[in-house]
Amino acid sequence: AQKITQTQPGMFVQEKEAVTLDCTYDTSDPSYGLFWYKQPSSGEMIFLIYQGSYDQQNATEGRYSLNFQKARKSANLVISASQLGDSAMYFCAMSSISSGSARQLTFGSGTQLTVLP
Amino acid sequence: GAVVSQHPSRVICKSGTSVKIECRSLDFQATTMFWYRQFPKKSLMLMATSNEGSKATYEQGVEKDKFLINHASLTLSTLTVTSAHPEDSSFYICSARQTRAPYEQYFGPGTRLTVT
Repeated sequence: AQKITQTQPGMFVQEKEAVTLDCTYDTSDPSYGLFWYKQPSSGEMIFLIYQGSYDQQNATEGRYSLNFQKARKSANLVISASQLGDSAMYFCAMSSISSGSARQLTFGSGTQLTVLP
Repeated sequence: GAVVSQHPSRVICKSGTSVKIECRSLDFQATTMFWYRQFPKKSLMLMATSNEGSKATYEQGVEKDKFLINHASLTLSTLTVTSAHPEDSSFYICSARQTRAPYEQYFGPGTRLTVT
């Protein structure tokens, strides 16, 4: 079974500052993927970034970077230079990528990020 | 990224009626689609995995006779909420999974169902 834990129900950050959203996970799968999604108030889920369990380097996508610490089972999302439009709910998720897996996502409880002007 | 559409975006229906929600992958083929349910300010709960050409796989606690899923083609999956009740009111989101690494899921915009 897989489990994702996001311990920060809400976070505030000043515009243009960086913010880290925490995510820890637990799995018995040898191969897995970690994802971050953004959900604005409109409800759509927007894919942000992906990290494979065997990737040597931390993933980066523009202002988003994933601080992957495999030994600690953490996959924190770092947003640099926060913008007002970053205010949204952020979900960490994982899936098994083992052969034969359906690769369904298990989601954390989410972190509501508010960017202050 | 890939585009997934969902229709309708909002629906209000009366208790006892059935509602069909469509999920389409517009620019890629998806052998696997997923249906989620989300309550206000809560996380997404996986309801079922929809596989093209075969029966859907339901998560524990999800009634397959209540939530009928049909994956008729590589670009379309439908969720029918049968004999809807007010407790079925929720936000329903579908996703379509890429068939190549890293197999990310692209989500539809969601359907807000209100049963009166």
